[in-house]
Amino acid sequence: QKEVEQDPGPLSVPEGAIVSLNCTYSNSAFQYFMWYRQYSRKGPELLMYTYSSGNKEDGRFTAQVDKSSKYISLFIRDSQPSDSATYLCAMSANAGNMLTFGGGTRLMVKP
Amino acid sequence: DSGVTQTPKHLITATGQRVTLRCSPRSGDLSVYWYQQSLDQGLQFLIQYYNGEERAKGNILERFSAQQFPDLHSELNLSSLELGDSALYFCASSVGVSDNEKLFFGSGTQLSVL
Repeated sequence: QKEVEQDPGPLSVPEGAIVSLNCTYSNSAFQYFMWYRQYSRKGPELLMYTYSSGNKEDGRFTAQVDKSSKYISLFIRDSQPSDSATYLCAMSANAGNMLTFGGGTRLMVKP
Repeated sequence: DSGVTQTPKHLITATGQRVTLRCSPRSGDLSVYWYQQSLDQGLQFLIQYYNGEERAKGNILERFSAQQFPDLHSELNLSSLELGDSALYFCASSVGVSDNEKLFFGSGTQLSVL
């Protein structure tokens, strides 16, 4: 079993929908949590960064961390076709440690 | 554009061969990271260099090696290539040694081993 699990999708939603992306993990030492967006044939791009538990909001994006359940989420409000990409969760136990990535969820937002 | 440059973009080679992937970090970044992305394993950390010194090692095979030069560019050397080494190889950079949240990725080198 992988340390970080993520549904590969694809997840198809209509434009304007609220999107929920999730990851579960098994290592209780993880305390730094990130969401990356990866367009086809491009490198991952950092979207959200959260330390420990709680919520963080940035524009249309909200990241949630529930360490007690070992579960993290990324919500995208008012989704746009330009949000169509693969979303990767990543986490680490300490600052500077190597990141452990989920397998990614492919999102398609249809106009 | 992340500012991280990787060359070449595509590489096609045969089993048993050796290749070198090159990465130029963002201006001012001292740390370079190498990651491998494949369909079955996802994105996996290989190795990190900071200011010329190896800093952390992940799931890097013994057939693979890397180095960071005085001008801070880095090279990943893959030898005795196998079919299973076919993957997308990413380089990322950050300013310091502990910058999880400030990691910038290049566009990758697609390696195909035939």
